[in-house]
Amino acid sequence: DSGVTQTPKHLITATGQRVTLRCSPRSGDLSVYWYQQSLDQGLQFLIQYYNGEERAKGNILERFSAQQFPDLHSELNLSSLELGDSALYFCASSATGLSNQPQHFGDGTRLSIL
Amino acid sequence: GESVGLHLPTLSVQEGDNSIINCAYSNSASDYFIWYKQESGKGPQFIIDIRSNMDKRQGQRVTVLLNKTVKHLSLQIAATQPGDSAVYFCAVPEEDSSYKLIFGSGTRLLVRP
Repeated sequence: DSGVTQTPKHLITATGQRVTLRCSPRSGDLSVYWYQQSLDQGLQFLIQYYNGEERAKGNILERFSAQQFPDLHSELNLSSLELGDSALYFCASSATGLSNQPQHFGDGTRLSIL
Repeated sequence: GESVGLHLPTLSVQEGDNSIINCAYSNSASDYFIWYKQESGKGPQFIIDIRSNMDKRQGQRVTVLLNKTVKHLSLQIAATQPGDSAVYFCAVPEEDSSYKLIFGSGTRLLVRP
């Protein structure tokens, strides 16, 4: 158990809809990362937050947004969903958010768009 | 079960044998390296890391070797067990970034009973 909690585990919705994925980091970790993992692209970095502020951005679509709250949990919002958004979405956390330490991953949310 | 990638290189080993999984990186300035294991239906799990001031680091049944000259990283698993079957990723910091990690595409390890 990594200590990172993601909910829900599975989400099934339709094109055009909006969903919110939630992540609670490991106790003591200040930084949260979001990744997308699809069958043909591996782990793709979306966005990182540190202590409530955005720190780094990857290939995150404009339809996607995220935030980190004062209690350090984070939410990833996906809107105007398309079939191609079907993927596993992982949250990871680390203590300082620097790349010289490991990130610890949750077990992900599997998003299926019908 | 769930598959992480359709075209991952696959290493098939007999239970009890040693496994070696390789990773090449491109940035000669990389100073930190991590190995992750991802089992079907789960998130990547941290296994072991190594910094560039070391050539070798050992954990429980795992050893990471770093060859900076040829920019190569390997993960050795001793006495491979069925529970070791998973996809293994290496990760390194992105060049010119203090925050992002870049993940390899992974190698699927299959352990034959």
